[in-house]
Amino acid sequence: GAGVSQSPSNKVTEKGKDVELRCDPISGHTALYWYRQSLGQGLEFLIYFQGNSAPDKSGLPSDRFSAERTGGSVSTLTIQRTQQEDSAVYLCASSLVGTGYETQYFGPGTRLLVL
Amino acid sequence: GNSVTQMEGPVTLSEEAFLTINCTYTATGYPSLFWYVQYPGEGLQLLLKATKADDKGSNKGFEATYRKETTSFHLEKGSVQVSDSAVYFCALRTKSGGYNKLIFGAGTRLAVHP
Repeated sequence: GAGVSQSPSNKVTEKGKDVELRCDPISGHTALYWYRQSLGQGLEFLIYFQGNSAPDKSGLPSDRFSAERTGGSVSTLTIQRTQQEDSAVYLCASSLVGTGYETQYFGPGTRLLVL
Repeated sequence: GNSVTQMEGPVTLSEEAFLTINCTYTATGYPSLFWYVQYPGEGLQLLLKATKADDKGSNKGFEATYRKETTSFHLEKGSVQVSDSAVYFCALRTKSGGYNKLIFGAGTRLAVHP
């Protein structure tokens, strides 16, 4: 079946603009995760969804970042008033249940460049 | 807190050479350990995993053993190929609040030359 998909694959935006990044998890996967991969910071956890609720938002770097998930499927990560330090690859992953023992499958990422 | 430290790259090897990429971790409790690989232009893929001490994960000729006494999970391969060129990430999974959370190392880039 299809893997995790993300869109857009690349996004260039101007500082101060808002951006939306989309993630389509593997069908049937109830857990969804956002990570950020940036130079000098490696891979950082941002937020976790179980169904439509987000029990762990501890990794969101500031209140400019928000995420939602609807219908237990698609998730959108929104960055408001983008800054140059937001430039990174944003990765989404999904897993079957979210109880701690299953594998996370990653999408190809969205490469964000803030000018 | 929980963290993963892996050797800095890039690691440059000739084809058929022996590979070791070191990974050590700090964690409370008993985390699961993973190696993920990112080939050029592709997403992260799980390479192998180990869920308890002394477990050995293996896949595609790669191996790593969960060593609790040294808090290590070093990745090894006996004979690398050009197609193994990629970035390798060591990660641990904490069970915080009853669910997954992967904590990654910084990644090690491997370049294999013919």
